[in-house]
Amino acid sequence: NAGVMQNPRHLVRRRGQEARLRCSPMKGHSHVYWYRQLPEEGLKFMVYLQKENIIDESGMPKERFSAEFPKEGPSILRIQQVVRGDSAAYFCASSLVYTGGDEQYFGPGTRLTVT
Amino acid sequence: AQTVTQSQPEMSVQEAETVTLSCTYDTSESDYYLFWYKQPPSRQMILVIRQEAYKQQNATENRFSVNFQKAAKSFSLKISDSQLGDAAMYFCAYRSPTGANSKLTFGKGITLSVRP
Repeated sequence: NAGVMQNPRHLVRRRGQEARLRCSPMKGHSHVYWYRQLPEEGLKFMVYLQKENIIDESGMPKERFSAEFPKEGPSILRIQQVVRGDSAAYFCASSLVYTGGDEQYFGPGTRLTVT
Repeated sequence: AQTVTQSQPEMSVQEAETVTLSCTYDTSESDYYLFWYKQPPSRQMILVIRQEAYKQQNATENRFSVNFQKAAKSFSLKISDSQLGDAAMYFCAYRSPTGANSKLTFGKGITLSVRP
């Protein structure tokens, strides 16, 4: 059973370009979470999605960031007009159900570098 | 909103010795879950141990155990017989039991080094 897949693993973008990060949850998981890790920091929650629905986007910056989890295909985190401050590691996690005790399985992360 | 605090940025332990990593949290909820995650240099997040707040018994997983003090809102991780492979960043995390608040709230982490 494959784990959570994220691609690309490394992404370099110039300021002003768009970044698209992809996350394929574990088989059978319909709950996806995105977290951002700035250098020397812990992970910060961004958004929680179920298939075709955004459940909680309280951690998402109001501008330039969007996320989706379509009925078919991976979840996408999209960052428009990237700035240097967007440079970070972005982690996706998935779970089978949404109860607190259910483990969130993390992907390997995408390291975004904005030059 | 819940907060998680890890006040020690770094710790060091001799191989085969025991080390305790501290974590405190703040919440108004009575039921919740607490976790310790390990992040080695590969950056992959690995679940080390989980504690349900309604359970009085401290969780254990092989060489890893926790000291959960609900009244004090303290959740420390004890690593016994430390091994070189334990060197990593360790994050304490909080999670509400259900619903739209099922996100993980992490502390800033602690870097553990193991001396051979």
